[in-house]
Amino acid sequence: DAKTTQPTSMDCAEGRAANLPCNHSTISGNEYVYWYRQIHSQGPQYIIHGLKNNETNEMASLIITEDRKSSTLILPHATLRDTAVYYCIVTTNQAGTALIFGKGTTLSVSS
Amino acid sequence: DTAVSQTPKYLVTQMGNDKSIKCEQNLGHDTMYWYKQDSKKFLKIMFSYNNKELIINETVPNRFSPKSPDKAHLNLHINSLELGDSAVYFCASSGAGRNYGYTFGSGTRLTVV
Repeated sequence: DAKTTQPTSMDCAEGRAANLPCNHSTISGNEYVYWYRQIHSQGPQYIIHGLKNNETNEMASLIITEDRKSSTLILPHATLRDTAVYYCIVTTNQAGTALIFGKGTTLSVSS
Repeated sequence: DTAVSQTPKYLVTQMGNDKSIKCEQNLGHDTMYWYKQDSKKFLKIMFSYNNKELIINETVPNRFSPKSPDKAHLNLHINSLELGDSAVYFCASSGAGRNYGYTFGSGTRLTVV
């Protein structure tokens, strides 16, 4: 079973920041927080991941609370193409560990 | 070059038939996976192979059999297809170490009629 809790859906206006929350209160010390998204019926796409520190890449920023029990994915300037299902997943980086997907958050970006 | 490629992209077949879906990755990853996404859009792990060895085998009918001829390939064979097997099947691979991450294929939409 997925170890994360996310809102079912969120809306965001184009050009605004989209902040997607995720609760992972039972996360273990060796588990990372990964974010993936799935646009329509395409394969899931990697966005970002982190362990303790905040992370930023060309797609998004990841803010992890100090106690690591929750995190927020930030898309700084959402576009219509960011409409997708966003999955927050906690997992170790051990070889062969599968990603366990929950229901994710459906983000709808509108103009 | 596509990192994880699956063939075919679409597959329509009759109940009772046997079919295969192929997956290849050119990322040098050690582990490959098969996921199933049903009509409710829930992505569920089916199998994983690490260096050609089966390491995850979730509760899946034994009509489904993965085969890994080498660590770059993981094929999925399905015997005696049923209506309930209709779904999108995704292949994925993962590497190890600092740049650990998963890469997914674009999926194979299987329709059993």
